[in-house]
Amino acid sequence: EADIYQTPRYLVIGTGKKITLECSQTMGHDKMYWYQQDPGMELHLIHYSYGVNSTEKGDLSSESTVSRIRTEHFPLTLESARPSHTSQYLCASSESSDNEQFFGPGTRLTVL
Amino acid sequence: QKEVEQNSGPLSVPEGAIASLNCTYSDRGSQSFFWYRQYSGKSPELIMFIYSNGDKEDGRFTAQLNKASQYVSLLIRDSQPSDSATYLCAVNEVTGGFKTIFGAGTRLFVKA
Repeated sequence: EADIYQTPRYLVIGTGKKITLECSQTMGHDKMYWYQQDPGMELHLIHYSYGVNSTEKGDLSSESTVSRIRTEHFPLTLESARPSHTSQYLCASSESSDNEQFFGPGTRLTVL
Repeated sequence: QKEVEQNSGPLSVPEGAIASLNCTYSDRGSQSFFWYRQYSGKSPELIMFIYSNGDKEDGRFTAQLNKASQYVSLLIRDSQPSDSATYLCAVNEVTGGFKTIFGAGTRLFVKA
């Protein structure tokens, strides 16, 4: 079982709120990723990191930001949530770019 | 043209039959190929990976890779209703930087 954790698992908030989705892994992986996935739809990479102090934007434009101050921690922040941000957010990590990705359980976000 | 293409399905097979899932990719330099299974409402989990041309077997699953044709497939023998899920093909591209590209997934339905 993969040791990658996400909190909260479910979040319902009002428009305009600032939120941070947490992701932590205990595998010592350098590579970490954030994906957005609507029900029944494909994964969209929104951010990734190759290591501490490294962050890059993914293929899907996102109004979120990320930070990587510690190897094990890769939080995602939305400064002002909107209904269009309603989705499932999946965090993943891998030992290297050539290895499999381990996914966390996801955070299902609903913005009213 | 998408970088990793899969038939979205649904692919419906009877219990006990062989399910064949296909994936094509565009980057000829790709070296690593992965199949993930995603149950509805859950996170993707790795089924198999393959790096070399030919077949790789693991229990009821066989991955097949043909780099010349830029084609990778997953065969599921003796399909079970518990195999009903979405199967994601993922390819590690090297052109333009090392990154993993996920296909949109094929929904498989195994009828009891």
